[in-house]
Amino acid sequence: AQSVTQLDSQVPVFEEAPVELRCNYSSSVSVYLFWYVQYPNQGLQLLLKYLSGSTLVKGINGFEAEFNKSQTSFHLRKPSVHISDTAEYFCAVSGAGSQGNLIFGKGTKLSVKP
Amino acid sequence: SAVISQKPSRDICQRGTSLTIQCQVDSQVTMMFWYRQQPGQSLTLIATANQGSEATYESGFVIDKFPISRPNLTFSTLTVSNMSPEDSSIYLCSVGGVGVETQYFGPGTRLLVL
Repeated sequence: AQSVTQLDSQVPVFEEAPVELRCNYSSSVSVYLFWYVQYPNQGLQLLLKYLSGSTLVKGINGFEAEFNKSQTSFHLRKPSVHISDTAEYFCAVSGAGSQGNLIFGKGTKLSVKP
Repeated sequence: SAVISQKPSRDICQRGTSLTIQCQVDSQVTMMFWYRQQPGQSLTLIATANQGSEATYESGFVIDKFPISRPNLTFSTLTVSNMSPEDSSIYLCSVGGVGVETQYFGPGTRLLVL
């Protein structure tokens, strides 16, 4: 079984500042890792994913994440945030080849202030 | 990625009634999933719905409370039966498939039970 921990429930930052949203996971098998974003009153949108290969993955809207197997982490980063990045961000994990069973973290609310 | 729509987008219901939520996909998909997102919480998988077979429910969810239909490869419904205020949540469908590691989500149905 897998589990996901998002260490920060809320992250306030000023516009144009860098941001890192932390995600750690636990699993006894190989995993796929995902970040989803949920804008207010909307569904979930896939931001980026790690399936295999390069540990640095780039997603939409200038976000990137790095898979660190030794630290079981998949932190999300953006060098300069915009007001429009204000949203809730969910880290999720599934067992490689499991064809479903996404396990979500509790989410991190990113608030970008002018 | 698939385009997913849900109906209704939101509803306010009286306790003791039932609501059926529809999920439509613009392409044929093997696996459809139903999630619940309670207020201020993360997403929890309710069940996996494959066409031509009974839905598989996660621990804590039962067919009598959340009956699911999957009549074809592009459509599914979730019914929330005999509702109580505790059922007030966002219900989201997602799609994946054999060999498809990534799930894509619909916009969600926001349900308020009075």
